Amino acid sequence: DAGVIQSPRHEVTEMGQEVTLRCKPISGHDYLFWYRQTMMRGLELLIYFNNNVPIDDSGMPEDRFSAKMPNASFSTLKIQPSEPRDSAVYFCASSPSGMNTEAFFGQGTRLTVV
Amino acid sequence: AQSVTQLDSHVSVSEGTPVLLRCNYSSSYSPSLFWYVQHPNKGLQLLLKYTSAATLVKGINGFEAEFKKSETSFHLTKPSAHMSDAAEYFCAVNRDDKIIFGKGTRLHILP
Repeated sequence: DAGVIQSPRHEVTEMGQEVTLRCKPISGHDYLFWYRQTMMRGLELLIYFNNNVPIDDSGMPEDRFSAKMPNASFSTLKIQPSEPRDSAVYFCASSPSGMNTEAFFGQGTRLTVV
Repeated sequence: AQSVTQLDSHVSVSEGTPVLLRCNYSSSYSPSLFWYVQHPNKGLQLLLKYTSAATLVKGINGFEAEFKKSETSFHLTKPSAHMSDAAEYFCAVNRDDKIIFGKGTRLHILP
């Protein structure tokens, strides 16, 4: 397996534009996580899915953020409209099951909003 | 609620000397604990994990960690640092199927 695949690796956009980040989890993994990493806040869990169903989105900062998982092999994180303070590295991770299992991370998407 | 605290934001050691990165956890029961490493502009890679099988856990690249319930600690160690160990290290806990991370410790290796 190629691991967790995220696209794009880098995204530069203007304030107010819509941004869509994409993730392909490891095949067979039941859990998918979206994290945001910044210098100020470290690694924050935004939302996670179990079997394509959103379980906890309490980390999503605002209504401008939304995430979907239409099937077991694809998830998106959308920001609309984007703001400069959304600039961060966004990681997707997947896990085979719940308790006692680790998460496997993608390479991340570095988002810059100007 | 379970959480982890990394006590040092930066640690500097000389090449060839021991490494100690500290992590304390809070949990009402025996947690699953992890150490991850992140090299610049890379994703997070699992170094090792504790899942109550053995208190001393060996990981990749010569790292190991010891779970001490009496001290609620899970410190990461390596006997001899290498320049390639320079990176950021994260302690994490599995809480209700979510992986929650500490703030990270940046490890600097001095030549």
